[in-house]
Amino acid sequence: AQSVAQPEDQVNVAEGNPLTVKCTYSVSGNPYLFWYVQYPNRGLQFLLKYITGDNLVKGSYGFEAEFNKSQTSFHLKKPSALVSDSALYFCAVSPDSNYQLIWGAGTKLIIKP
Amino acid sequence: ETGVTQSPTHLIKTRGQQVTLRCSSQSGHNTVSWYQQALGQGPQFIFQYYREEENGRGNFPPRFSGLQFPNYSSELNVNALELDDSALYLCASSPLGPDEQFFGPGTRLTVL
Repeated sequence: AQSVAQPEDQVNVAEGNPLTVKCTYSVSGNPYLFWYVQYPNRGLQFLLKYITGDNLVKGSYGFEAEFNKSQTSFHLKKPSALVSDSALYFCAVSPDSNYQLIWGAGTKLIIKP
Repeated sequence: ETGVTQSPTHLIKTRGQQVTLRCSSQSGHNTVSWYQQALGQGPQFIFQYYREEENGRGNFPPRFSGLQFPNYSSELNVNALELDDSALYLCASSPLGPDEQFFGPGTRLTVL
């Protein structure tokens, strides 16, 4: 079965430090990869996507993600965390045969001042 | 350009009843997807519509059905509600293809 795993329920980072939110996937073919963020009482917002090309993709709010095909991973990163980055982050994968998203369970990111 | 809107915001129903949730997609987006998000979990894909035709379906029973209309609005209908149907229901619109989806704020359904 196709699946997306976010192995950490919660990640705690001090403000100013780099952050990484992990995502691995098990999907056949060449999937499209996405990160979304969900703030409290707000809808899901798109951060970035990988379709093809450079393995490092840049997105909104200073976030970037690194695609690793051999490890089937798509980790979200940011060089310097802000308190305002605290939110729930979801990794999502779309198999190449259609555009319907398979989602991870989410990782709660907490940035402490 | 208006965003994706959903109505109602909250809804309380009893087991066995039927419910209709509504979504207004972003103008120009021919694709709408519906998701169920249980508390503390990621969204689960219910189905997708493209130009008023169902374009794929997740692992949900037939009592979950949908419609998409030419004016970029759509509906999710759930018959014979069960307690486990309590969740946040999200709709998302997008152009066809591997592009970002634009999500509405969701409808919180509680089944008692």
